[in-house]
Amino acid sequence: QVQLVQSGAEVKKPGAAVKVSCRASGYTFTGYYIHWLRQAPGQGLEWMGWINPNSGDTNYAQKSQGRVTMTRDTSITTAYMELNRLRSDDTAMYYCARASSVRGVISYWGQGTLVTVSS
Amino acid sequence: QSVLTQPPSVSGTPGQRVTISCSGSSSNIGGKTVNWYQQLPGTAPKLLIYNSNQRPSGVPDRFSGSKSGTSGSLAIRGLQSEDEADYYCAAWDDSLNGWVFGGGTKLTVL
Repeated sequence: QVQLVQSGAEVKKPGAAVKVSCRASGYTFTGYYIHWLRQAPGQGLEWMGWINPNSGDTNYAQKSQGRVTMTRDTSITTAYMELNRLRSDDTAMYYCARASSVRGVISYWGQGTLVTVSS
Repeated sequence: QSVLTQPPSVSGTPGQRVTISCSGSSSNIGGKTVNWYQQLPGTAPKLLIYNSNQRPSGVPDRFSGSKSGTSGSLAIRGLQSEDEADYYCAAWDDSLNGWVFGGGTKLTVL
């Protein structure tokens, strides 16, 4: 079965960086896009961008551009999302999710990684 | 401020039918399909409806979706206590070149 397993919770200080991993199993990793989304406490969902695990191509939401980097390691079927220059309003649950294409339905989700930014 | 507009909350009693609306624009829902997600407390979102009116396998047929113009709608009939959750609509936006979501609707089963 399709599984996306994310790394554990992180606590970071303002200005630091965080790198969240998303290990995929149960399907051909390079055959589907990975999207990253986040959800601040008590708030709605926000799309951050996508990576094509086959080519490594990426596209980031305008709000994320300049601070986010999405990468992948096909040898271990894992995608990564790194967010730099963290601020308190980056405190959120971060999700990776699978889609058949850029505009394809986001169907399977990881369990989420809580990132807390606090001094 | 979310790009897609949903009511913050809806409620109903067991067995009732409720609907949740999702309003967008020509750059998203108007030219694309709508997806709906159910998020139970403390869990990741789960795909409920895709392509406006399609149900993934395993989703009960009590859940249905529709789209008209720049708005989408999720209907739940035969309301059950386990349906109590947050519901989000989503659509691709051509202007923003990305996915946009509604702010979420909290469904309370009275």
